[in-house]
Amino acid sequence: DAKTTQPPSMDCAEGRAANLPCNHSTISGNEYVYWYRQIHSQGPQYIIHGLKNNETNEMASLIITEDRKSSTLILPHATLRDTAVYYCIVRPGRGSSNTGKLIFGQGTTLQVKP
Amino acid sequence: DGGITQSPKYLFRKEGQNVTLSCEQNLNHDAMYWYRQDPGQGLRLIYYSQIVNDFQKGDIAEGYSVSREKKESFPLTVTSAQKNPTAFYLCASSYEGRKGDTQYFGPGTRLTVL
Repeated sequence: DAKTTQPPSMDCAEGRAANLPCNHSTISGNEYVYWYRQIHSQGPQYIIHGLKNNETNEMASLIITEDRKSSTLILPHATLRDTAVYYCIVRPGRGSSNTGKLIFGQGTTLQVKP
Repeated sequence: DGGITQSPKYLFRKEGQNVTLSCEQNLNHDAMYWYRQDPGQGLRLIYYSQIVNDFQKGDIAEGYSVSREKKESFPLTVTSAQKNPTAFYLCASSYEGRKGDTQYFGPGTRLTVL
């Protein structure tokens, strides 16, 4: 079962920031928050991940609340090519006894409109 | 993409035939994974391998087989025992080491059994 909750869909105007929320209220201390996105009929694309500090890379920013029970993925200037399903995933860190599998929930379908 | 190739992109087979899906990576990653995705659903883990000549069953291994003779390659065979083989198959790999274990996905193979 997915350990995250995301809204099923969101719209965003082209050029504006897209803010995608994720709830992970049962996250454990050694679990990371990962974000992937999947454009129709393609493989999932890694976006960003974090443990407790906010993170930024060339694609997006990840804001994690202080209690780590929720996070927000920010696409600063959304384009039409950002239209995709966005998945928020929590998984144990390296060294834990786990298969490494990623549990994908239903994700959020982001529609960027002109 | 990102150094993971899957071929072919589309594959058609008759019911009762075995079929092998290719997955190759040139990222020097130790771990490789096979997932299955059905329409409108998340990914489910079929098999994974953390080192050469070793692999483990995932959540839905029945009707599938794998091999890991080389670090770069992790082929998946869909056997006639798999009752519903039509799906989108995704291969992923990750570097199990100090650089972390983010999984990167290939473009996928869409298998249709007629």
